[in-house]
Order: sequence, then C-alpha cells, then structure tokens
Amino acid sequence: LAKTTQPISMDSYEGQEVNITCSHNNIATNDYITWYQQFPSQGPRFIIQGYKTKVTNEVASLFIPADRKSSTLSLPRVSLSDTAVYYCLVGDEGNTGKLIFGQGTTLQVKP
Amino acid sequence: NAGVTQTPKFQVLKTGQSMTLQCAQDMNHNSMYWYRQDPGMGLRLIYYSASEGTTDKGEVPNGYNVSRLNKREFSLRLESAAPSQTSVYFCASSGGAGNQPQHFGDGTRLSIL
Repeated sequence: LAKTTQPISMDSYEGQEVNITCSHNNIATNDYITWYQQFPSQGPRFIIQGYKTKVTNEVASLFIPADRKSSTLSLPRVSLSDTAVYYCLVGDEGNTGKLIFGQGTTLQVKP
Repeated sequence: NAGVTQTPKFQVLKTGQSMTLQCAQDMNHNSMYWYRQDPGMGLRLIYYSASEGTTDKGEVPNGYNVSRLNKREFSLRLESAAPSQTSVYFCASSGGAGNQPQHFGDGTRLSIL
C-alpha cells in the first residue's frame, strides 16, 4: 500500500477556500486516491475519490497532477461545520478494499 | 437507509470479561472491516473479510477474533478484555474493489477497567 503524507493540522477562517495536499510518491498504476472526513464521535465519511486530473462533487474538488505523486483536496468557502479530520488514502491491497489510515489532517475553521 | 449498524454504542467491561461487538450492513457489500481508533490517532485495521466465508488479519489483530456470519454480518469478539483494548471500534463495509469507498458505522465506545 502506498504511504501517504499530509499535514497534521491546518487552520482557516469561515468563507475561505482550504487546500489540503497529500503526498503519495509510491502510488501504483491501479491505485485510486480517496479522501474521508471524520467528525468527533463519528465514523469517517467518504468525501471524494479520483484517479487522475480533476474530480468535483457537491462537497469538494480533488486535483491530481499528471505524475499522480500528490493530490490536493479543495474545500470551497469552508464553514465552522467543516472542522474535522481529513484522511487521504491511496489504493488497497489485493483488491480487497483493505485500507491503511494515517493520522489525517485536523482542520480547524475559525469564525 | 440504515447503512452500517453497530451494537452496542457504549460498553464498560472489567478486565478478563468477554464481549462480542455486532455489525450489520444492508448495502449488499462483499467486504467488511473492523477498525479501532485510540484518542488522537487514526484508524487501525484489526480484521477484515474480503468476502463471505473469508477473514484476514489487519494491522492489530492480537486479542481479537472475528466471524463473518453471513454476507450482512461481521462480529468482533474480545475473549479476555484488557485495559489496552479501551478504544472506539468502527465497522465498515465496501463493494470490495479499490475504487469503492468504505461506509462506516457510528462506532462502539468500549472501556475496560
């Protein structure tokens, strides 16, 4: 499984755009990049997934450069309710869906 | 839409007691997973079941056993609970392939005294 590196924490203010970058230098050809969000006392929640270029949904955008060695989760106009831990995951093992979570990025949105 | 349901939500045990955590999913997913999350840490995989009838160890399997009872249900058992197993336990399910996201339950908060 490709190892990922992301900042431990980030601060932002309401209304700003937040970009969280994840490094995954050893990503394999078949690996997808997936981001999850976790609020306190809840299980992680799927946000977005991509393979290359750009993916956008109603919650976020995911930017993946051509070499796929990094990815950036973009949250437009964050609000206080976006305060959470964000996890970047890459690939799985043996096509089983088995994932390894790192420590994630704790995003604190301030008023 | 129930998704992934975990029971119980909270439990307090004494050292040495046994306990089974239950998990059920209604999304017809092939794969199911058990994780633990300690304070301030990311999730660590305990066991997983890639399909009905199969189970495999994850990162931290010691002290746990699992049963994939059928396609819907995947239980986690602590045979002799230890204080080091105090944690929040999450069950998840997915279609199984790497491009299918995992869906998580709300967790079981387990304290062992």
